[in-house]
Amino acid sequence: SYEVTQPLSVSVALGQTARITCGGNNIGAKNVHWYQQRPGQVPVLVIYRDKKRPSEIPERFSGSNSGNTATLSISGAQVGDEADYYCQVWDSNTVLFGGGTKLTVL
Amino acid sequence: QVPLQESGPGLVKPSETLSLTCSVSGGSITSYNYYWAWIRQPPGKGLEWIGSVYHGGDSYYSPSLESRVTIFVDTSKNHVSLKLTSVTAADTAVYYCARTTVSKYYSYMDLWGEGATVTVSS
Repeated sequence: SYEVTQPLSVSVALGQTARITCGGNNIGAKNVHWYQQRPGQVPVLVIYRDKKRPSEIPERFSGSNSGNTATLSISGAQVGDEADYYCQVWDSNTVLFGGGTKLTVL
Repeated sequence: QVPLQESGPGLVKPSETLSLTCSVSGGSITSYNYYWAWIRQPPGKGLEWIGSVYHGGDSYYSPSLESRVTIFVDTSKNHVSLKLTSVTAADTAVYYCARTTVSKYYSYMDLWGEGATVTVSS
């Protein structure tokens, strides 16, 4: 079965660009979606279909997907961006989540 | 009014059936061209998809849970129900319902409920 893998943690300096990866075999051929879950809160969709952004999500959030890696980028990282981030794909009529990446803003 | 609201018992005994309801507000559930999903999150762990269902009857389930899960849409009550049988402590989690877009090539959840905490314990 298909699997998606994420790093357990990523750190970024305040104001810099954070990049969170999601790996999978030829994941570039799939649509990747990203969710943000702040501590104690509900997951929120921040990127869908690789690079589309819901209207309420800041432009600082962007996505890309090619080859074996999809990437969520957060420019101008803020303390409020500290959260767990999950990538998600649809494969064989099944929703698959990555294990999640904890983003720390230093 | 919260668009999606989960409800149900917070404590379930081992081997019994977990039953949760997700109330959809803001319009008839049949007027939406969406699927409705259940996702769970064990304490301190990541997200796990349980299944997704359309009001017209189409449904998809996680292979690992399919034998124990039923998700159905009750159009008369405008809600989505989850039943998980033969529960164990491993089913302890926060259970979320979510509005879901499904196509041949993708599925994603763009609106989530607040979640319902369910503990399996005797």
